[in-house]
Amino acid sequence: DTGVSQNPRHKITKRGQNVTFRCDPISEHNRLYWYRQTLGQGPEFLTYFQNEAQLEKSRLLSDRFSAERPKGSFSTLEIQRTEQGDSAMYLCASNQRLGQQETQYFGPGTRLLVL
Amino acid sequence: DQQVKQNSPSLSVQEGRISILNCDYTNSMFDYFLWYKKYPAEGPTFLISISSIKDKNEDGRFTVFLNKSAKHLSLHIVPSQPGDSAVYFCAASAQGNQFYFGTGTSLTVIP
Repeated sequence: DTGVSQNPRHKITKRGQNVTFRCDPISEHNRLYWYRQTLGQGPEFLTYFQNEAQLEKSRLLSDRFSAERPKGSFSTLEIQRTEQGDSAMYLCASNQRLGQQETQYFGPGTRLLVL
Repeated sequence: DQQVKQNSPSLSVQEGRISILNCDYTNSMFDYFLWYKKYPAEGPTFLISISSIKDKNEDGRFTVFLNKSAKHLSLHIVPSQPGDSAVYFCAASAQGNQFYFGTGTSLTVIP
């Protein structure tokens, strides 16, 4: 399978705990994006990487959130001191620009529930 | 600020008929537009895209139309099939740096 994979698929945690999610993009894709999606909304951009460089961060990404892509391959998203409002689906996507064409391919997401 | 809007939260269509999903955007710098389909508990799946240099792109039963002057795009599905029932998101980007998504339209195709 050469699609985007995310682990874990589901995570239940208690408020105040730290959680870390992993995303493995499609191998030849140099761009990797993190999104958050809540019920009834579309995916909201959090941050993106081009190779290992984090190029843009949304104001949604508070200081409790940090993302890394150390070797330009997989990426991790960590949430520290989780709050109930962090409960959402966290989506990862990867893409590669070919000329003017750029298509994002999404992983299945990690559903986080903070109790 | 919602830069991409899908004003119809839901749509029901009879099998075999045309489904038309609409999307409006506010940022004139957007130059690339995509449609995604999403089933429950799965990530969005790419359907079709269009760049701002075109006004139409077709792929099988799916056609996307772009009206830049109206800042409007639409997805046509002909003929609609029950398996098309899902939530459809449109998305837009400027130079591919950040993708903005609409809130989705839930399509139900009635057999």
